[in-house]
Amino acid sequence: AQTVTQSQPEMSVQEAETVTLSCTYDTSESDYYLFWYKQPPSRQMILVIRQEAYKQQNATENRFSVNFQKAAKSFSLKISDSQLGDAAMYFCAYRSFGSGGYNKLIFGAGTRLAVHP
Amino acid sequence: NAGVTQTPKFQVLKTGQSMTLQCAQDMNHEYMSWYRQDPGMGLRLIHYSVGAGITDQGEVPNGYNVSRSTTEDFPLRLLSAAPSQTSVYFCASSRAGSYNEQFFGPGTRLTVL
Repeated sequence: AQTVTQSQPEMSVQEAETVTLSCTYDTSESDYYLFWYKQPPSRQMILVIRQEAYKQQNATENRFSVNFQKAAKSFSLKISDSQLGDAAMYFCAYRSFGSGGYNKLIFGAGTRLAVHP
Repeated sequence: NAGVTQTPKFQVLKTGQSMTLQCAQDMNHEYMSWYRQDPGMGLRLIHYSVGAGITDQGEVPNGYNVSRSTTEDFPLRLLSAAPSQTSVYFCASSRAGSYNEQFFGPGTRLTVL
């Protein structure tokens, strides 16, 4: 069974600085998807970024980028130029590629990010 | 386009009571699912559906029932509430396929006394 581990329960960063959130996962599959979700105090789950395991190029979405190390089974999220609105809980998630049918999202326990002015 | 809606936003139940959490989506998504979020544990899948009339169990299905009579609606029923079911519940929907983004509802905070 696949597992996702986020070893940093809490992180903090100064506004305009860069922060990296860690995520490791365990799987025997070769094809899969990885996601980072943001959950602000409003509780809404928001997709930040996703990565296909078969792509070597790291995904980037504006100030958010990932460092995907497939051999090490590591998928960290880098937030550049941090803003007050980035303060939230961040969840790393894994999803099997699958050949059809439903594949569940497997979430890590989350990292709470505080942004200080 | 309202996306995924959930009602109620908050609910307090007594042990043994039953209730239904409502979920609806207006994006014509094939897949719908229910998760619960507990402190320190992330989100865990309760039940899911790949289309009208088709449902299956997720990781933590005990104490919950679902049905899907239409593409739009996917209610979650608590048969006899227990304090262990105190949690935040999220409904999500997506197009078929693992790559596609899951859209989440705003969540329901349930407390069972």
